Order: sequence, then structure tokens, then C-alpha cells
Amino acid sequence: KAGVTQTPRYLIKTRGQQVTLSCSPISGHRSVSWYQQTPGQGLQFLFEYFSETQRNKGNFPGRFSGRQFSNSRSEMNVSTLELGDSALYLCASSLGTGGEVHEQFFGPGTRLTVL
Amino acid sequence: DQQVKQNSPSLSVQEGRISILNCDYTNSMFDYFLWYKKYPAEGPTFLISISSIKDKNEDGRFTVFLNKSAKHLSLHIVPSQPGDSAVYFCAAYDYKLSFGAGTTVTVRA
Repeated sequence: KAGVTQTPRYLIKTRGQQVTLSCSPISGHRSVSWYQQTPGQGLQFLFEYFSETQRNKGNFPGRFSGRQFSNSRSEMNVSTLELGDSALYLCASSLGTGGEVHEQFFGPGTRLTVL
Repeated sequence: DQQVKQNSPSLSVQEGRISILNCDYTNSMFDYFLWYKKYPAEGPTFLISISSIKDKNEDGRFTVFLNKSAKHLSLHIVPSQPGDSAVYFCAAYDYKLSFGAGTTVTVRA
């Protein structure tokens, strides 16, 4: 079974621009969660999508948004980029229901650099 | 506030010996605990998890212990191998995963 894929792997943007990141979950997984990893803050939860609906949300500003499609693929958008948005953005998929709801499997991440 | 803490940023262990990684948490609502391993430029890889109703779970060389009264869990790796050299993250689940800061493990030959 193929793992979680994320595209692109690397991005360089300038302040004020916007960016869209993509995540394809493991086949059969209906939940997609997004995390931001920075050296100072570690791994921080952004939001989770399940069945095309945002189910949970972390403490990030409204510039960070996402969506999920009917095939469970998800996109994350960051508008009006700031230097502090430079980070590794990780997507994780899980079944989303049932006893193994907590087991999340991560993609390789998208490294975003904001200049 | 950091609800999951890994107080040891690094651990060096000789090949073949036991590696013990520790993790403390503050949120009593966490109902699952997980350990992930991460190499540079890759996403975290799931290793092992434990439900809050258990106190031990084993999977091959990896054993996780949970002490709910102390809000403490540990990961034992026996025997340690050079390929185990990586950053290990402790995570706890309520409705999302909350991660510790990570422990860098170096296995010496």
C-alpha cells in the first residue's frame, strides 16, 4: 500500500505571497491532519479534515486554511506569507474512525522557505 | 503550553545495549500515546502506541511503558542498532497529536 505523499517537496516564496500544499493520504484513510514543524516550536497541529469537513483546528491564524476533496486528498493554503511561516509542513493520514483513529501516518513533508 | 515533554534532548548508547527514552505529560485527557522516529528531511515514522488503559505494549525490539499515576511513559529499545540513530518523538492523542520536543538518539558501534 502506498504511503502518504506530499507535493511539492520544496517551495521558496516571498513575503506577502500565498502558497498551496497538497497531500494524498493512504488509500482507505479518510482523515488528513496537517502539522507545522519549526526548530523553535516543534511539531504543532494545524487542523484535521475528515469526510471533506474540518473536524478539529489548532491555534493558528486564519491565514492558514485547508480543504479536503471527496477522494480524501487535502490541500493546505497559507495566504500573505510571513518570514515566520518558514517551516516543514507535514501531512498525516489515519482511518479517522474506529479503534485505530489515533494512529497517524506521516508524509515526507513540504519544506517551505519564505524570503 | 507544552503538554508533552521530553526532557532529554539527546541520548548516546552503545550498539547492543538498551536505549531508554522518557516522556512526561500533563493532560489527563490523553487516551493514546505514540512514539515516532524521524530521520532528517523525512516525515515521522510510527513506531508503537499504547492505550491509556494499558501499562505495557511490546513490538519486537520496542516496548512502551505507561505509568498513568505519574503521567510518564518510556520507550525501551533492546538491543539498540546503528539504524536506530534518529530523533524520537513522544506524542499523545486526545483529538489531535501533541508532540514532545524530541530526543536525538545516537547508537555507537
